[in-house]
Amino acid sequence: DSGVTQTPKHLITATGQRVTLRCSPRSGDLSVYWYQQSLDQGLQFLIHYYNGEERAKGNILERFSAQQFPDLHSELNLSSLELGDSALYFCASSPTGRLEAFFGQGTRLTVV
Amino acid sequence: DQQVKQNSPSLSVQEGRISILNCDYTNSMFDYFLWYKKYPAEGPTFLISISSIKDKNEDGRFTVFLNKSAKHLSLHIVPSQPGDSAVYFCAAQTDSWGKLQFGAGTQVVVTP
Repeated sequence: DSGVTQTPKHLITATGQRVTLRCSPRSGDLSVYWYQQSLDQGLQFLIHYYNGEERAKGNILERFSAQQFPDLHSELNLSSLELGDSALYFCASSPTGRLEAFFGQGTRLTVV
Repeated sequence: DQQVKQNSPSLSVQEGRISILNCDYTNSMFDYFLWYKKYPAEGPTFLISISSIKDKNEDGRFTVFLNKSAKHLSLHIVPSQPGDSAVYFCAAQTDSWGKLQFGAGTQVVVTP
């Protein structure tokens, strides 16, 4: 158990819909990262938050947004969903913005 | 632009023998490298890391070697055990707020 909690574990939704994925980092970790893993693909970095502030953005679509709240949990919002958005979405946390990050178990999103 | 490459999608090794996983990178600004292990339906788990100021780091059965001039790192697992069967990801960072850039992963199968 990494100490990073992601909910829900599985999500099935229709095209055009909007969903929210939630991440609770390890206690004391200020950094939260979001990654996407599509079928047969590696982990693609989406966005990094540190203590409530956005610090780095990867190849995150405009339809996607994220935020980190004062209690340090984070949410990833995916809107106008398309079939190609079906993937595993991982959240990771670390004490700073550096070094090893600890990953949650992921949310498997299926868009039908 | 894939800056971290794992060119071997799979590796099969006998129990008790050495597993050698390779990773190449193109960005000379990377200064911290990590290996993660991933079982199906779980998030990646941190294994071992190495700073660019070192050329070797060892932790139990796992040793990571870094050759900066060749922009190459490798992970050695000795001896390999059936529980080591998983996907192994190489990752790299550039700076204090550096996102982890992941390779595509290598599937390791340890046979009895």
